[in-house]
Amino acid sequence: GAVVSQHPSRVICKSGTSVKIECRSLDFQATTMFWYRQFPKQSLMLMATSNEGSKATYEQGVEKDKFLINHASLTLSTLTVTSAHPEDSSFYICSARDHYAGESSPLHFGNGTRLTVT
Amino acid sequence: GQNIDQPTEMTATEGAIVQINCTYQTSGFNGLFWYQQHAGEAPTFLSYNVLDGLEEKGRFSSFLSRSKGYSYLLLKELQMKDSASYLCAFMDSNYQLIWGAGTKLIIKP
Repeated sequence: GAVVSQHPSRVICKSGTSVKIECRSLDFQATTMFWYRQFPKQSLMLMATSNEGSKATYEQGVEKDKFLINHASLTLSTLTVTSAHPEDSSFYICSARDHYAGESSPLHFGNGTRLTVT
Repeated sequence: GQNIDQPTEMTATEGAIVQINCTYQTSGFNGLFWYQQHAGEAPTFLSYNVLDGLEEKGRFSSFLSRSKGYSYLLLKELQMKDSASYLCAFMDSNYQLIWGAGTKLIIKP
């Protein structure tokens, strides 16, 4: 159980375009989802916390107008990278916690999206 | 403040045992997690410790000492597929995960 599906797994886009990444919890409800970014050979960096039905909470230094997050249901959160630039190229990973398993339950990760902006 | 530290890289031999250490400092603590991450893939959950002591799961065990701010992940009977990065992360008083930079484990035949 506790499967998180993330799409697409890989995307190449041109500079200036926007890319939407979907994150779905398939067999559990997630009131909170987390979006991470990971550059090569570096650790996970939390970008934002997505809250169902309310605004996302962004980490310091993350532009909320550039990385749009929508969490419209208990099983779906989306991250849209707007006006992408080559420096946005990275591995984006979403994660979610089963709402009914408690706040100290483990995070379950999607398979990640490798974004390349040309 | 909060911080967490683990070695950058370790090397071990197939069939052997390796221990990956993780130290942390925080005022609020709600448990420590270990995740495995293969190159180019997302992390997968390995273990969770919130009380002192050793938790064993097959070839993998995880230990926690809250008073010392210390945890380790023990991998036995190493296999080539265990080559990966191992991430430790503690959960703070706000239930936010604070991640270590990861330990890249290289297994040699």
